[in-house]
Amino acid sequence: DAKTTQPPSMDCAEGRAANLPCNHSTISGNEYVYWYRQIHSQGPQYIIHGLKNNETNEMASLIITEDRKSSTLILPHATLRDTAVYYCIVKPETSGSRLTFGEGTQLTVNP
Amino acid sequence: DSGVTQTPKHLITATGQRVTLRCSPRSGDLSVYWYQQSLDQGLQFLIQYYNGEERAKGNILERFSAQQFPDLHSELNLSSLELGDSALYFCASSAALADPYNEQFFGPGTRLTVL
Repeated sequence: DAKTTQPPSMDCAEGRAANLPCNHSTISGNEYVYWYRQIHSQGPQYIIHGLKNNETNEMASLIITEDRKSSTLILPHATLRDTAVYYCIVKPETSGSRLTFGEGTQLTVNP
Repeated sequence: DSGVTQTPKHLITATGQRVTLRCSPRSGDLSVYWYQQSLDQGLQFLIQYYNGEERAKGNILERFSAQQFPDLHSELNLSSLELGDSALYFCASSAALADPYNEQFFGPGTRLTVL
């Protein structure tokens, strides 16, 4: 699976958009970008995934660059409950489904 | 609530002992995964079962074993426990073996402390 690089930590003001970047310069054509988050010691939670088009759901938006070498997860109106570690994961669609977690980004939403 | 249940929530035991962690997947999910999260290693994939059969192995020690039963619940057995086995153990489930919407639903975890 392709390796990802994320900043170790970020801060965001409550109510503002949180933009979390992820670099995946070695991504292959059949690899998807997934985002999960883990709120302090709870089980990780799926957020969103995409291949090459931008995606949006009720939780977040995912912007993938045209060359697919990087992506940004956007939480449009961050709340205190969004404080968590966010993991960007790149994996092939049919790699057996295992998730390879990196170190992620600790997002802290401040009041 | 993800729909995945894990028991027990906490487990404290001594070195050399054996423990069993239990996981019940979401209703209808056929795939079960086990992950270990320790302070120094982060979240690591251990093993996957699909409809009762082992499908993938990750960084699982030989002292660890797992199985998935006909009712689809799974157990992770850890034996000859060492201090370094202290960690959070998560179970996750998904509907299919591998599909475009590879959403895994994680349980709340079992915190294992080896003294």
